[in-house]
Amino acid sequence: NAGVTQTPKFQVLKTGQSMTLQCAQDMNHEYMSWYRQDPGMGLRLIHYSVGAGITDQGEVPNGYNVSRSTTEDFPLRLLSAAPSQTSVYFCASSSGQRNQPQHFGDGTRLSIL
Amino acid sequence: AQRVTQPEKLLSVFKGAPVELKCNYSYSGSPELFWYVQYSRQRLQLLLRHISRESIKGFTADLNKGETSFHLKKPFAQEEDSAMYYCALSGRAGSYQLTFGKGTKLSVIP
Repeated sequence: NAGVTQTPKFQVLKTGQSMTLQCAQDMNHEYMSWYRQDPGMGLRLIHYSVGAGITDQGEVPNGYNVSRSTTEDFPLRLLSAAPSQTSVYFCASSSGQRNQPQHFGDGTRLSIL
Repeated sequence: AQRVTQPEKLLSVFKGAPVELKCNYSYSGSPELFWYVQYSRQRLQLLLRHISRESIKGFTADLNKGETSFHLKKPFAQEEDSAMYYCALSGRAGSYQLTFGKGTKLSVIP
C-alpha cells in the first residue's frame, strides 16, 4: 500500500503564479485534510473534506481552494501564490473516528519568490 | 475552542538520560490525544495515542485530566529518538480536524 501520496515533493513559484498540489490515498478513507507546517507554528489545518463532494475550511484557508471529486484525491490549489505561502504542505487521510490517527504524506516543500 | 501547548521548542538530553516532552491541552469535552513524531525530512507518523495505553519505542504517555496534560516520557533516551515531536488533540468533530501543538525538537546528545 502506498498510503498517502503527494506530488510534487518540491516546487518553486513566482509571486502571482497558480499551481495545484496533488494528494491521493489508497486506504479508502472518507476523511482528508491539508495542513501547512511552518517553523515555530506547528501544523495548521487549511481545508478538509469528510467525503467526496464535501469540503470545508480549516484554520488558515485564505488563498487556497480544494475540491473532492473522488474518495481517493484531494488536490490543493494556490490561486495566486504569495511569499507568505512558502511552507511545507502535508496531506493526511483518516477513517474519521476520533480515536483513529491520521496518515500523512511525505509533504510538498513550496517556495514562493 | 481547543488548544494544545508544548512549552519547549527545543529539548536537549544526553543519551541514556530520561526524557519528558510536555503537552498541555485546553478542551471542554473529553479529548482524544496523540503524539506524532517527524524524523528529519520524513513524514509525520503516529507515535502513540492515549486510548491505546501502549508503549512504542519505549515511549509512554498518560492522560491526566486533572492537570489537562499528556506528557510523553521515556526512561532512557537513544540517539535515534532525535526528532520533532507534536502533540495533537482530536475534538468532537473527528480526527480529521486535529489541533497540533507547535512541536518540540528533541536532540539526544551522544
